[in-house]
Amino acid sequence: DSGVTQTPKHLITATGQRVTLRCSPRSGDLSVYWYQQSLDQGLQFLIQYYNGEERAKGNILERFSAQQFPDLHSELNLSSLELGDSALYFCASSVRTGIVNEQFFGPGTRLTVL
Amino acid sequence: AQKITQTQPGMFVQEKEAVTLDCTYDTSDPSYGLFWYKQPSSGEMIFLIYQGSYDQQNATEGRYSLNFQKARKSANLVISASQLGDSAMYFCAMREGQGDYKLSFGAGTTVTVRA
Repeated sequence: DSGVTQTPKHLITATGQRVTLRCSPRSGDLSVYWYQQSLDQGLQFLIQYYNGEERAKGNILERFSAQQFPDLHSELNLSSLELGDSALYFCASSVRTGIVNEQFFGPGTRLTVL
Repeated sequence: AQKITQTQPGMFVQEKEAVTLDCTYDTSDPSYGLFWYKQPSSGEMIFLIYQGSYDQQNATEGRYSLNFQKARKSANLVISASQLGDSAMYFCAMREGQGDYKLSFGAGTTVTVRA
């Protein structure tokens, strides 16, 4: 158990819909990252938050947005869903200080768009 | 350009034998970190080992060791004494810079351990 929690574990929805994925980082971790894992794109970085503020952006579509709340949990919002958005979405967290700064991953949310 | 390249899509290894997973990387940043993660069929991502660009010695963690060849820009993972539970997908990843920066992942290598 990495200490990072994600809900829901599975999500099945239809094209055009909107969903929200939730992540709670490890206790004390201020950085939260979102990654998407799909068969054709592999593991791709989407976005990072640090202590409530957006820190870095990757290949995140405009239909996707995220935020980090004062209690440090984060939500990833996916709207106008398309079939190609079906993927495993991971949240990870890390401390900012330290040398290794390994990222601890949550169990993921598997999104299926029908 | 790909930052991380893993050229072995799949490998078979006999139980109790060692296996080497290849990883090459591309960066112009002198400060970077290299990570290996394991993803079993259940889907979670498990951190295995880390090598910093300034580390003089190869990293080791139990049965995992990292063969770091900086001039060749390679960071191969060696799993010794393979166990059935080692069957999984293995990802090499890189963080450019020191600190809490994003990871760039390779395509992964599937390892299947045979009894």
